[in-house]
Amino acid sequence: QLQLQESGPGLVKPSETLSLTCTVSGGSISSSSYYWGWIRQPPGKGLEWIGSIYYSGSTYYNPSLKSRVTISVDTSKNQFSLKLSSVTAADTAVYYCASQYEAGYCSGGSCYLVPQRFDPWGQGTLVTVSS
Amino acid sequence: SYVLTQPPSVSVAPGQTARITCGGNNIGSKSVHWYQQKPGQAPVLVVYDDSDRPSGIPERFSGSNSGNTATLTISRVEAGDEADYYCQVWDSSSDHFVVFGGGTKLTVL
Repeated sequence: QLQLQESGPGLVKPSETLSLTCTVSGGSISSSSYYWGWIRQPPGKGLEWIGSIYYSGSTYYNPSLKSRVTISVDTSKNQFSLKLSSVTAADTAVYYCASQYEAGYCSGGSCYLVPQRFDPWGQGTLVTVSS
Repeated sequence: SYVLTQPPSVSVAPGQTARITCGGNNIGSKSVHWYQQKPGQAPVLVVYDDSDRPSGIPERFSGSNSGNTATLTISRVEAGDEADYYCQVWDSSSDHFVVFGGGTKLTVL
C-alpha cells in the first residue's frame, strides 16, 4: 500500500526558496499508472493544486504558480520534490504530496490519459514564511 | 479558468441524508472526485470517477454527476462524518488542469 511522507524546513524567510521532498514507500515512483502531485492549504482555507509530475519528468503546473514552481523526480530515491521561489507570507500553508492516478479524459472528441484523482495523500507539513 | 462551486456549509441530523453539491459548467462531461478532510488531517478520497468508492469507504457514501451539478450523498449520517468535503476535476480546457471546489463544511447536528 502506497505511503507518502513530506519533509523539509518548516520556516522559510520571505524572498527565499521553499524546498520540500516527498518520499514514496510501498510502491515504485516509476509506476506507469501514477503521477505525483503537490497540493497546499493555507490556514483555514481550501485546497490549491500546485503541480504534478510523471516519473519521466513530464509536468503539469498551476498557471498561477508556474513562474515560481519547479517539481522534479528522483527515481533512484523514490522521491519527488517541490521548489517554490520568491516566497511571501501568502505561501504559508500546509503542503501535501499525493499520488495521482492516471485515468481517461475525453474532450473535443479525443480521449487520452491524464492525472486524475489523488490517493493517498501524505500527512502534510506546515511551512511558514516569516522573517 | 474552470470553476467548481460548492455551498460553504451543509447541516444534517444524525441518521438523515446529506447531499453536497458541486457545480461547474458541463461538469457531467468530466470525472468528479470527492475528498473528506477532518480537522488536522490530510484529505481522504471517498468517491472517484463520479460514483466509485475506494476500498474501505462505507457504502453510505455515494456520488452522481449530470449536467452542471455533481452530488456527494452521505446516507445515514453519523457524527464521525462531520468534516470538510471537496470536489475535484481535471480540466484541460483552461490550463488549470486540476481544479478543486471551495469546500463544504458538513455539520452533524
